[in-house]
Amino acid sequence: QVQLLESGPGLVKPSETLSLTCTVSSSSISSSFSTSTNHYWGWIRQPPGKGLEWIGHIYPSGSTYYNPSLKNRVTISEDTSKNQFFLRLSSVTAADTAVYYCASIGQKELDFDYWGQGTLATVSS
Amino acid sequence: DIQMTQSPSSLSASLGDRVTITCRASQKIHTYVNWYQQKSGIAPKLLIYAASNLQSGVPSRFSGSGSGTDFTLTINSLQAEDFASYYCQQSYRIPLTFGGGTKVEI
Repeated sequence: QVQLLESGPGLVKPSETLSLTCTVSSSSISSSFSTSTNHYWGWIRQPPGKGLEWIGHIYPSGSTYYNPSLKNRVTISEDTSKNQFFLRLSSVTAADTAVYYCASIGQKELDFDYWGQGTLATVSS
Repeated sequence: DIQMTQSPSSLSASLGDRVTITCRASQKIHTYVNWYQQKSGIAPKLLIYAASNLQSGVPSRFSGSGSGTDFTLTINSLQAEDFASYYCQQSYRIPLTFGGGTKVEI
């Protein structure tokens, strides 16, 4: 079964860049782990006490899709040699304080089928 | 963006009850809806994909239905472990969007 684990600093200062890593195990991010569909690798966040927001995702080919609400602040990239993918969110404010989850996304249904445990990132000076 | 409106935002139920949660999309999205369960402090878990397909390992008391703009998640014979929050998500168009959630309480 695919396992994902987020890592990164828990505290980021306003106007700085939030950088998170998702390490995938029991599957390669550069090949499908399912016979029924290929997978994207993506990020979702959840502010404390609030709902879920899709941030974006990356396909193993390197193609990326981002939430327009985050405008040009977000970058998702990958390192297939380390079986990791990354999130960078620039110019953060208190509104970016949230639990950040990484997840695998089935290409066929765009469903988030495996999730990491989540990591809380707090924006504060 | 496609807005997903869930109702109710919370509900109280008892063990053994049948619970129904609805999700309405702001435009027609065929059957491009997925449902998730989230327990406090834990990552969401996929329950239903493509409106009515049960994810592997999910108990059969969970079911989904609907197409177009109106979708339903039903839990038959509510169990203690089902008390959680539930979210719908549309996968018809980028940006992917979620409903606001429904908290199922005792």
